[in-house]
Amino acid sequence: DIVMTQSPDSLAVSLGERATINCKSSQSVLSSSNNKIYFAWYQQKPGQPPKLLIYWASTRESGVPDRFSGSGSGTDFTLTINSLQAEDVAVYYCQQYYSSPYTFGQGTKLEIK
Amino acid sequence: QVQLVQSGAEVKKPGASVKVSCKASGYPFTSYYMHWVRQAPGQGFEWMGIMNPGGTSANYAQKFQGRVIMTRDTSTSTVYMELSALRSEDTALYYCARPRLPGPDDAFNIWGQGTMVTVSS
Repeated sequence: DIVMTQSPDSLAVSLGERATINCKSSQSVLSSSNNKIYFAWYQQKPGQPPKLLIYWASTRESGVPDRFSGSGSGTDFTLTINSLQAEDVAVYYCQQYYSSPYTFGQGTKLEIK
Repeated sequence: QVQLVQSGAEVKKPGASVKVSCKASGYPFTSYYMHWVRQAPGQGFEWMGIMNPGGTSANYAQKFQGRVIMTRDTSTSTVYMELSALRSEDTALYYCARPRLPGPDDAFNIWGQGTMVTVSS
């Protein structure tokens, strides 16, 4: 199984500042056949199902504010939230969908400082 | 709009089985795979398995092999996940989730609201 490890486990950032969350996969999730990176970021707020933010490592889902961006390749990935807003308080998860089982990171809790 | 609506909360005794339903609407049901994912209280996500669009086959996570069965009823656009031999560690919120596009290997952009299953004697 591909193990996804996020860092940090929790993060406190001031409003208007930048938040950075990292995720590392135990093996590459880049497909050599189509050059796509099978990696996503989700946001989960209390009492809600997860919301897809980023797929293919860097493509923003429709309707997601452009202050959210994803980067990385192979095994190391980053979610960046620019100009943090109060509504961004949530737990963020990474996921690989390269191979079954489609594993998730343990989550990073983002709070306002 | 595209949505997945799941059945209500369940309380089961250890050793029992539970069957959770997920009714789809707003898209061609038979074109999309469906995943099941669970989340224990205060924990992260655990992928359980995936059912193909035609409902003819499913791929289960090894951890759940022999205990889980996924089925679908195309006449009602509903998928089901049945978990047997329940134990306390199965207490969790169970979600159905649809990939963005037809095909198994894609991010999950549509999620059900979740079904809480509590296993307690």
